[in-house]
Amino acid sequence: EAQVTQNPRYLITVTGKKLTVTCSQNMNHEYMSWYRQDPGLGLRQIYYSMNVEVTDKGDVPEGYKVSRKEKRNFPLILESPSPNQTSLYFCASARGTGDNEQFFGPGTRLTVL
Amino acid sequence: KQEVTQIPAALSVPEGENLVLNCSFTDSAIYNLQWFRQDPGKGLTSLLLIQSSQREQTSGRLNASLDKSSGRSTLYIAASQPGDSATYLCAVRKAAGNKLTFGGGTRVLVKP
Repeated sequence: EAQVTQNPRYLITVTGKKLTVTCSQNMNHEYMSWYRQDPGLGLRQIYYSMNVEVTDKGDVPEGYKVSRKEKRNFPLILESPSPNQTSLYFCASARGTGDNEQFFGPGTRLTVL
Repeated sequence: KQEVTQIPAALSVPEGENLVLNCSFTDSAIYNLQWFRQDPGKGLTSLLLIQSSQREQTSGRLNASLDKSSGRSTLYIAASQPGDSATYLCAVRKAAGNKLTFGGGTRVLVKP
């Protein structure tokens, strides 16, 4: 089954404790992206990648890192999480440069205390 | 800066009625527009993608129109069912390879 998977689905952590949210897609998509969704602010892009070893900042990259060492994986790293990073995070992928239909993962709900 | 607005924020209709969901954007120079459905606690499911050169796209009971000059897209859902209850989001892409800018969504409730 073609899908985007994220792990963990739910995470509660404390300020400053480094964490990684994994994202994997099995559709051989070149384009992958991370979004966060907050009430009243909608979905905003954090980082995106057009291919292996190519990443770029979205609208709200501060406090986040990403890497794209393999085509299928695009982990989101929070080196020192803060409470304002409490949010619902979505990973997405698409064929080509992202102009095509984007497919989203199920989301990761992160709470930073 | 592109801004995408969806009004109303919430909508309640009786089963069987047609749904009309609106999406407006401030910059008409878009590459394409995508409609999504989001169920509570779940990810986004892509419904329709309309390229800037297209006027509409159809899939089953869903029909989306695009009027770039007026900065509007409308999603029509015919003969609504309780299973259509969800939040519907539209998103526009300004240029090839560029990011999606999302609207705030319309939360739909279809009453049996």
